[in-house]
Amino acid sequence: ETGVTQSPTHLIKTRGQQVTLRCSSQSGHNTVSWYQQALGQGPQFIFQYYREEENGRGNFPPRFSGLQFPNYSSELNVNALELDDSALYLCASSGDSNQPQHFGDGTRLSIL
Amino acid sequence: QKEVEQNSGPLSVPEGAIASLNCTYSDRGSQSFFWYRQYSGKSPELIMFIYSNGDKEDGRFTAQLNKASQYVSLLIRDSQPSDSATYLCAVLGQAGGTSYGKLTFGQGTILTVHP
Repeated sequence: ETGVTQSPTHLIKTRGQQVTLRCSSQSGHNTVSWYQQALGQGPQFIFQYYREEENGRGNFPPRFSGLQFPNYSSELNVNALELDDSALYLCASSGDSNQPQHFGDGTRLSIL
Repeated sequence: QKEVEQNSGPLSVPEGAIASLNCTYSDRGSQSFFWYRQYSGKSPELIMFIYSNGDKEDGRFTAQLNKASQYVSLLIRDSQPSDSATYLCAVLGQAGGTSYGKLTFGQGTILTVHP
């Protein structure tokens, strides 16, 4: 069974740029959630995708957007990057919205 | 009041002791509760989940849930140095009439098990 995979593992960008992060869900999982984890904090919910539709959103501005594809993989896009966007971005997949969520290894994004 | 609060750490216990990690939550309607372990520089790893009041045991780990007190705990018996990590309590919530599952995390408790 393949777990959740994320790419890239590390990324360095400058303010104002745009970034796309990718996630492949665990085999058999149709729900993908994205979280942002700042240093020393718990992860914060960004949004969730279920069957290619956004299925809920946390308190993040519209410059955070996403997609889910027919194979249930997902992308997180962030426009107009700000210094505070520096964080570990985590993707989690689950069998449905109420099942335990399993995390990928994350993408560490640094904004200079 | 924070939605999910964990006892402030760091927590230091000797090898072989019981480590007790605590968590309270504010949404009385919450139904599902999770404990994740996160090693430094790594992503969270699910170690326990509990849905019903009472205790749930898995190896050296026991999760305890008291919905009336809005309290969740994790006990780690026979603690090992390899248990040293940050432990995150998470509560699954839903918004309004939607069916999505949003995990709300506490800030984490750093556990150190010393030989």
